[in-house]
Amino acid sequence: NAGVTQTPKFQVLKTGQSMTLQCAQDMNHNSMYWYRQDPGMGLRLIYYSASEGTTDKGEVPNGYNVSRLNKREFSLRLESAAPSQTSVYFCASSEGGAVYEQYFGPGTRLTVT
Amino acid sequence: KNQVEQSPQSLIILEGKNCTLQCNYTVSPFSNLRWYKQDTGRGPVSLTIMTFSENTKSNGRYTATLDADTKQSSLHITASQLSDSASYICVVSTGGGNKLTFGTGTQLKVEL
Repeated sequence: NAGVTQTPKFQVLKTGQSMTLQCAQDMNHNSMYWYRQDPGMGLRLIYYSASEGTTDKGEVPNGYNVSRLNKREFSLRLESAAPSQTSVYFCASSEGGAVYEQYFGPGTRLTVT
Repeated sequence: KNQVEQSPQSLIILEGKNCTLQCNYTVSPFSNLRWYKQDTGRGPVSLTIMTFSENTKSNGRYTATLDADTKQSSLHITASQLSDSASYICVVSTGGGNKLTFGTGTQLKVEL
């Protein structure tokens, strides 16, 4: 089992460009999450999907959109990238809500110039 | 506001020594507390999860304690190894929902 996979590993964008971060899990988990990690700050939730077909905003959703494509895949889209979105992005999955263990992917390091 | 504070921010110890990392939280309602290990350039990996009724939990050389009355937790690492060099993150879950509150982590370096 690969667990949680993310693509790409690294990306550099110019301000205003768009891109989609991909995430997939092979653990048959119901819930999936997108976080960002910035220096000196704890991980912050951007969006989550409690189950296939549903998505909800987290703590810092502005500037992002998500799609729960199917039970396995959850993508994060930046429509018009800004330097403030320079960060490391992690996807995670779990069987259900916050009481369950979350399994994290390896991360995508994004730089917006 | 839900908060998780960790101390120290960073720590350097010699291989073979023990160390203890601290976590204080003001999260309500409380569901569980987790400790994660994050190696440089990788995603966090769970070490332990403790519910309200558990006050000690071990995972190999890692032992976590929880005092729900004082809202404090600690992670004790025994006989440290070079591979223990990482960031250790304390995370608290509220009851229900999908929200976790993350600490900023303690950066541990184990040296020869």
